[in-house]
Amino acid sequence: DGGITQSPKYLFRKEGQNVTLSCEQNLNHDAMYWYRQDPGQGLRLIYYSQIVNDFQKGDIAEGYSVSREKKESFPLTVTSAQKNPTAFYLCASSIANSQETQYFGPGTRLLVL
Amino acid sequence: AQTVTQSQPEMSVQEAETVTLSCTYDTSESDYYLFWYKQPPSRQMILVIRQEAYKQQNATENRFSVNFQKAAKSFSLKISDSQLGDAAMYFCAYRSRGGSEKLVFGKGTKLTVNP
Repeated sequence: DGGITQSPKYLFRKEGQNVTLSCEQNLNHDAMYWYRQDPGQGLRLIYYSQIVNDFQKGDIAEGYSVSREKKESFPLTVTSAQKNPTAFYLCASSIANSQETQYFGPGTRLLVL
Repeated sequence: AQTVTQSQPEMSVQEAETVTLSCTYDTSESDYYLFWYKQPPSRQMILVIRQEAYKQQNATENRFSVNFQKAAKSFSLKISDSQLGDAAMYFCAYRSRGGSEKLVFGKGTKLTVNP
Protein backbone atom coordinates (compact mmCIF):
# COMPACT_ATOMS: atom_id res chain seq x y z
CA ASP A 1 0.00 0.00 0.00
CA GLY A 2 1.26 3.48 -0.86
CA GLY A 3 1.29 6.05 1.87
CA ILE A 4 3.13 8.08 4.45
CA THR A 5 4.37 6.63 7.70
CA GLN A 6 5.48 8.54 10.76
CA SER A 7 7.21 7.16 13.80
CA PRO A 8 7.02 7.02 16.68
CA LYS A 9 3.36 7.69 17.42
CA TYR A 10 4.32 9.18 20.80
CA LEU A 11 7.65 10.66 21.76
CA PHE A 12 8.90 12.00 25.06
CA ARG A 13 11.66 14.54 25.31
CA LYS A 14 13.73 15.44 28.33
CA GLU A 15 15.04 18.94 28.90
CA GLY A 16 18.08 19.69 26.75
CA GLN A 17 17.59 16.64 24.58
CA ASN A 18 17.37 16.52 20.80
CA VAL A 19 14.81 14.12 19.35
CA THR A 20 14.15 13.03 15.78
CA LEU A 21 10.78 12.33 14.21
CA SER A 22 10.70 10.01 11.24
CA CYS A 23 8.69 10.51 8.05
CA GLU A 24 8.79 8.06 5.15
CA GLN A 25 6.71 7.99 1.97
CA ASN A 26 6.46 5.48 -0.88
CA LEU A 27 4.28 7.63 -3.11
CA ASN A 28 7.24 8.78 -5.24
CA HIS A 29 6.44 12.37 -4.29
CA ASP A 30 9.07 15.03 -4.81
CA ALA A 31 7.88 17.45 -2.15
CA MET A 32 7.67 16.82 1.58
CA TYR A 33 6.51 19.04 4.43
CA TRP A 34 6.51 19.22 8.22
CA TYR A 35 3.68 20.93 10.06
CA ARG A 36 3.10 21.59 13.73
CA GLN A 37 -0.38 21.58 15.29
CA ASP A 38 -1.15 23.14 18.65
CA PRO A 39 -4.53 23.02 20.44
CA GLY A 40 -6.95 25.55 18.98
CA GLN A 41 -4.61 26.26 16.10
CA GLY A 42 -4.42 25.21 12.52
CA LEU A 43 -1.32 23.59 11.13
CA ARG A 44 1.79 25.74 10.75
CA LEU A 45 4.65 24.96 8.38
CA ILE A 46 8.04 24.18 9.92
CA TYR A 47 10.16 23.09 6.95
CA TYR A 48 9.61 21.87 3.43
CA SER A 49 11.64 20.22 0.71
CA GLN A 50 10.80 20.13 -2.96
CA ILE A 51 13.78 18.08 -4.06
CA VAL A 52 16.41 15.81 -2.58
CA ASN A 53 19.29 17.59 -0.86
CA ASP A 54 17.37 20.85 -0.69
CA PHE A 55 14.98 22.23 1.93
CA GLN A 56 13.57 25.58 2.99
CA LYS A 57 12.43 27.11 6.26
CA GLY A 58 8.75 27.53 6.83
CA ASP A 59 6.97 29.94 9.14
CA ILE A 60 8.19 28.49 12.46
CA ALA A 61 11.59 26.87 11.75
CA GLU A 62 13.43 28.09 14.85
CA GLY A 63 14.52 25.20 17.07
CA TYR A 64 14.05 22.60 14.34
CA SER A 65 16.29 21.03 11.71
CA VAL A 66 15.71 18.66 8.80
CA SER A 67 17.57 16.67 6.17
CA ARG A 68 16.54 15.26 2.80
CA GLU A 69 19.14 12.73 1.75
CA LYS A 70 16.63 10.41 0.10
CA LYS A 71 13.45 11.12 -1.82
CA GLU A 72 11.47 8.85 0.47
CA SER A 73 12.61 10.28 3.78
CA PHE A 74 12.35 13.66 5.52
CA PRO A 75 13.27 13.41 9.21
CA LEU A 76 12.64 16.30 11.58
CA THR A 77 14.90 16.97 14.58
CA VAL A 78 13.50 18.96 17.47
CA THR A 79 16.52 20.54 19.11
CA SER A 80 17.01 21.76 22.66
CA ALA A 81 16.65 25.29 21.28
CA GLN A 82 12.93 24.68 20.77
CA LYS A 83 11.58 25.83 24.12
CA ASN A 84 8.00 24.76 23.65
CA PRO A 85 8.08 21.52 21.65
CA THR A 86 4.93 19.91 23.01
CA ALA A 87 2.65 19.59 19.97
CA PHE A 88 1.32 17.24 17.33
CA TYR A 89 3.61 16.95 14.31
CA LEU A 90 2.33 16.07 10.86
CA CYS A 91 4.35 15.16 7.82
CA ALA A 92 2.94 15.54 4.32
CA SER A 93 4.03 14.92 0.76
CA SER A 94 2.90 15.91 -2.70
CA ILE A 95 3.81 15.92 -6.36
CA ALA A 96 5.72 19.15 -6.95
CA ASN A 97 4.27 21.70 -9.36
CA SER A 98 0.97 19.88 -9.51
CA GLN A 99 -2.64 20.65 -8.73
CA GLU A 100 -2.68 17.59 -6.51
CA THR A 101 -3.04 18.18 -2.82
CA GLN A 102 -0.75 17.12 -0.03
CA TYR A 103 -1.23 13.76 1.62
CA PHE A 104 -0.64 13.51 5.34
CA GLY A 105 0.88 10.93 7.63
CA PRO A 106 -0.77 9.83 10.90
CA GLY A 107 1.30 12.22 13.03
CA THR A 108 3.59 12.11 16.06
CA ARG A 109 2.67 13.54 19.42
CA LEU A 110 5.69 15.00 21.21
CA LEU A 111 5.56 15.53 24.95
CA VAL A 112 8.13 17.06 27.26
CA LEU A 113 8.98 15.25 30.50
CA ALA B 1 1.22 36.76 3.14
CA GLN B 2 -1.95 34.79 2.77
CA THR B 3 -4.28 34.26 5.72
CA VAL B 4 -7.25 31.97 6.25
CA THR B 5 -10.01 32.71 8.76
CA GLN B 6 -12.61 30.32 10.10
CA SER B 7 -14.97 32.35 12.24
CA GLN B 8 -16.88 29.44 13.77
CA PRO B 9 -14.81 27.60 16.41
CA GLU B 10 -17.65 25.12 16.94
CA MET B 11 -20.78 24.07 15.09
CA SER B 12 -23.40 21.41 15.70
CA VAL B 13 -25.94 19.75 13.44
CA GLN B 14 -28.62 17.13 13.81
CA GLU B 15 -28.09 13.86 12.01
CA ALA B 16 -29.52 13.96 8.45
CA GLU B 17 -29.61 17.77 8.47
CA THR B 18 -27.44 20.21 6.49
CA VAL B 19 -24.70 22.40 7.92
CA THR B 20 -22.47 25.06 6.39
CA LEU B 21 -18.98 25.87 7.64
CA SER B 22 -17.53 29.28 6.80
CA CYS B 23 -14.08 30.22 5.55
CA THR B 24 -12.65 33.48 4.30
CA TYR B 25 -9.15 34.12 3.06
CA ASP B 26 -6.94 37.00 2.12
CA THR B 27 -4.60 36.98 -0.86
CA SER B 28 -3.36 39.20 -3.64
CA GLU B 29 -2.90 36.26 -5.97
CA SER B 30 -5.32 35.43 -8.75
CA ASP B 31 -4.52 31.76 -9.17
CA TYR B 32 -4.56 29.39 -6.22
CA TYR B 33 -6.22 26.35 -4.71
CA LEU B 34 -8.55 26.00 -1.75
CA PHE B 35 -9.15 22.88 0.29
CA TRP B 36 -11.27 21.55 3.10
CA TYR B 37 -9.64 18.92 5.30
CA LYS B 38 -11.31 16.78 7.93
CA GLN B 39 -9.48 15.72 11.08
CA PRO B 40 -11.37 13.07 13.08
CA PRO B 41 -10.36 12.06 16.62
CA SER B 42 -7.65 9.82 15.12
CA ARG B 43 -6.03 13.11 14.02
CA GLN B 44 -5.41 11.83 10.49
CA MET B 45 -5.87 14.70 8.03
CA ILE B 46 -8.26 13.69 5.28
CA LEU B 47 -8.95 15.72 2.15
CA VAL B 48 -12.65 16.45 1.80
CA ILE B 49 -12.82 18.66 -1.25
CA ARG B 50 -10.67 20.87 -3.48
CA GLN B 51 -11.39 23.97 -5.56
CA GLU B 52 -9.22 25.58 -8.22
CA ALA B 53 -9.60 29.36 -8.19
CA TYR B 54 -9.79 29.63 -11.97
CA LYS B 55 -12.84 27.37 -12.08
CA GLN B 56 -16.13 29.16 -11.58
CA GLN B 57 -18.04 25.96 -10.98
CA ASN B 58 -18.32 24.97 -7.34
CA ALA B 59 -16.72 21.63 -6.47
CA THR B 60 -18.87 18.77 -5.16
CA GLU B 61 -17.97 15.41 -3.66
CA ASN B 62 -21.01 13.31 -2.79
CA ARG B 63 -22.61 14.98 0.26
CA PHE B 64 -19.97 17.72 0.39
CA SER B 65 -20.09 20.85 -1.71
CA VAL B 66 -18.56 24.30 -1.60
CA ASN B 67 -19.76 27.81 -2.27
CA PHE B 68 -16.74 29.58 -3.76
CA GLN B 69 -17.09 33.34 -4.05
CA LYS B 70 -13.79 34.56 -5.49
CA ALA B 71 -14.53 38.27 -5.35
CA ALA B 72 -15.61 38.01 -1.74
CA LYS B 73 -12.73 35.63 -0.95
CA SER B 74 -15.13 33.21 0.64
CA PHE B 75 -15.06 29.41 0.55
CA SER B 76 -17.77 27.72 2.60
CA LEU B 77 -18.36 23.99 2.96
CA LYS B 78 -21.84 22.51 2.94
CA ILE B 79 -22.42 19.05 4.36
CA SER B 80 -25.75 17.54 3.40
CA ASP B 81 -27.47 14.62 5.12
CA SER B 82 -25.02 14.82 8.02
CA GLN B 83 -23.84 11.54 9.47
CA LEU B 84 -22.35 10.69 12.84
CA GLY B 85 -19.07 9.95 11.10
CA ASP B 86 -18.87 13.55 9.92
CA ALA B 87 -18.07 14.68 13.45
CA ALA B 88 -14.54 16.07 13.33
CA MET B 89 -12.42 19.19 13.12
CA TYR B 90 -12.66 20.80 9.71
CA PHE B 91 -9.85 22.95 8.37
CA CYS B 92 -9.96 25.31 5.44
CA ALA B 93 -6.62 25.68 3.64
CA TYR B 94 -5.13 27.84 0.91
CA ARG B 95 -2.32 26.96 -1.45
CA SER B 96 -0.58 29.16 -3.98
CA ARG B 97 -0.07 27.88 -7.49
CA GLY B 98 3.68 27.40 -7.70
CA GLY B 99 6.32 28.58 -5.24
CA SER B 100 6.61 26.60 -2.03
CA GLU B 101 3.14 25.14 -2.51
CA LYS B 102 2.73 25.17 1.26
CA LEU B 103 -0.73 24.99 2.75
CA VAL B 104 -1.96 27.90 4.87
CA PHE B 105 -4.58 26.70 7.34
CA GLY B 106 -7.38 28.30 9.28
CA LYS B 107 -7.77 27.47 12.96
CA GLY B 108 -10.51 24.97 12.34
CA THR B 109 -14.17 24.38 13.16
CA LYS B 110 -15.20 21.56 15.46
CA LEU B 111 -18.33 19.90 14.10
CA THR B 112 -20.58 17.90 16.40
CA VAL B 113 -23.29 15.70 14.92
CA ASN B 114 -26.19 14.99 17.26
CA PRO B 115 -28.19 11.76 16.85
